[in-house]
Amino acid sequence: SQQGEEDPQALSIQEGENATMNCSYKTSINNLQWYRQNSGRGLVHLILIRSNEREKHSGRLRVTLDTSKKSSSLLITASRAADTASYFCATDDRTGNQFYFGTGTSLTVIP
Amino acid sequence: EPEVTQTPSHQVTQMGQEVILRCVPISNHLYFYWYRQILGQKVEFLVSFYNNEISEKSEIFDDQFSVERPDGSNFTLKIRSTKLEDSAMYFCASSLTTGTGGWQYFGPGTRLTVT
Repeated sequence: SQQGEEDPQALSIQEGENATMNCSYKTSINNLQWYRQNSGRGLVHLILIRSNEREKHSGRLRVTLDTSKKSSSLLITASRAADTASYFCATDDRTGNQFYFGTGTSLTVIP
Repeated sequence: EPEVTQTPSHQVTQMGQEVILRCVPISNHLYFYWYRQILGQKVEFLVSFYNNEISEKSEIFDDQFSVERPDGSNFTLKIRSTKLEDSAMYFCASSLTTGTGGWQYFGPGTRLTVT
């Protein structure tokens, strides 16, 4: 199975702290994406990193990808209460026709 | 910003009934997807669709499921005879390309409740 697995499953931090979430996957990918899901709502894409990239930034988000370890991390710096959500990594298969979501990390940022 | 829309937002149906979930993908997108998320569980891929045919489908997508793009804008998921375990949030997504450019845009979801 290609499915990604995030860790930790749940993370609780104080506002202003940094949050780091990790994702591991099993087979070769074209790209890896991180999504955010507020409770009971749809998925919002955050950032896409291609298999030939090692690091990518977008605002307070920093994503790294290590294809040799088949892992990625999402760092949210200077967290805010509004960052409270579940975060999922998603990988594609080589055809790009299927996406596999991990189990997600539930992030709680305490004001 | 263009967005994917889904209707209805919540559908309640009785076991054994047919349901059709509707999606309007982003207008210039070419690839379309359905996912489901059972409450408290991970998002699961159901099917991808391109050029008026199914590209890939998962083992969840059995004969009870079908997809259709009946016109230039709508993309539908039909469940022929619903079961209790079909209760879930169903997400539609679309992308302009696939593979290395395949950033998927998700709709807000339809919550299906089968009683």
